[in-house]
Order: sequence, then C-alpha cells, then structure tokens
Amino acid sequence: EVQLVESGGGLVQPGGSLRLSCAASGFTFSSYWMSWVRQAPGKGLEWVANIKQDGSEKNYVDSVKGRFTISRDNAENSLYLQMNSLRDEDTAVYYCARESAMTRDYWGQGTLVTVSS
Amino acid sequence: QSALTQPASVSGSPGQSITISCTGTSSDVGGYNYVSWFQQHPGKAPKLMIYEVTNRPSGVPDRFSGSKSGNTASLTISGLQAEDEADYYCCSYTSSGTHWVFGGGTKLTVL
Repeated sequence: EVQLVESGGGLVQPGGSLRLSCAASGFTFSSYWMSWVRQAPGKGLEWVANIKQDGSEKNYVDSVKGRFTISRDNAENSLYLQMNSLRDEDTAVYYCARESAMTRDYWGQGTLVTVSS
Repeated sequence: QSALTQPASVSGSPGQSITISCTGTSSDVGGYNYVSWFQQHPGKAPKLMIYEVTNRPSGVPDRFSGSKSGNTASLTISGLQAEDEADYYCCSYTSSGTHWVFGGGTKLTVL
C-alpha cells in the first residue's frame, strides 16, 4: 500500500524557516517524480514544486523561487521541502504527492504550516 | 486568481448527472492532454479521479468521466450519490513557468 506521511509543520514567524519531510513507503520511491502541493485555509490547491527521480531536475512555482528548496533522499525514501524567508501567504497545509502519468496519483494527509507573528 | 476557471458550485439530486467545467488556454488545457481531476472531502487529502483527460484510476467508479473540447475540460458524474458531495479541482500541465496549474475548485452539493 502506498503511504506518504508528512511532518515538520508548525507555527513560524514571518522571515523564519521550516523544513518539511515526507516519508514514503509501499512503492519504489526512487522511480517516481515527487511533488509538494499546498492549500491555504479555505482556498484551492496550488502546486509548489517537484523533483525528478534522481534529484537532477527541480521545478518551482514562481512565488517560492529563491526561497524554497525541494530535495530527496532515495536511500531514506524521503522527500523534503526547505522553506526560508517565510511569508504570511505561505500559510497552508502542505501535501506531499507522488507523480505518475503526468498527474499526482497518491497524496499524503498534509502538514499545516502557519506563518504568523 | 486561479489559472484555470471552474464554477464555484454545482448541485444535483441523487441519480442525476452533473458536469463541472474547467476552462484554460491553449498554453495549458488546450495544448496538452494532461488534465486531471481531484475530489476532496472536508479535512481530507485530494483523491485522483481522472487523469490524462479521460482515464480513470483503478477503484474509481465508472460514474466519473472526463472529456475535453478546445480549451475547456469537463468532469461528468452520472448517477449522483450522497458520497459524491465534495470539492472538485481540475489540474493541467502548462507551458508557462508554473508547470502545473489548478482550477479554483467547485463545490458539489448533492441535494
């Protein structure tokens, strides 16, 4: 059974940093692109970033470029999102998702990031 | 403002059919057959319902179907059931720097 479990969310002040993790199991992690998608409270979904199987290619939505870094550890079956210079508008539930057939076929339950002073 | 335009809400009675539209441009919906649809119940993670415009993942009822015409994709749910009440989001690949864009979401109410 495919499982994705996010962790690392919490309350952080504007300008602060946070590192999210996603533990994957039930599939060959190193064979798939992986994504982060977020959802602000009461709002819609927004794709944030994705990373190629070997980590050699990374893509970001414009609003997080230069502030967020996606990475992965295939030996640990883990996906990460390093978030720096956080802003109020980064407040959201962050989901980890597996990519397959040009979509996101499995999602974790999400971790809440709240940016507030 | 979302890149893809969906109606804010739709409704239907049990047993009826409804269609949710998702309108983009030739840079996204119209240019690629990479449109997906996700169902999200309150407090839950999104669930993939349709991918590559028309394909259903295993386990998704055949009451759910997808289509596309020009720059507009559509999700049709036939034989509405109470458990179909949820938010639905479309998503498309885009040739813009964003790579992937979602619609603003549609709240489906089963009357």
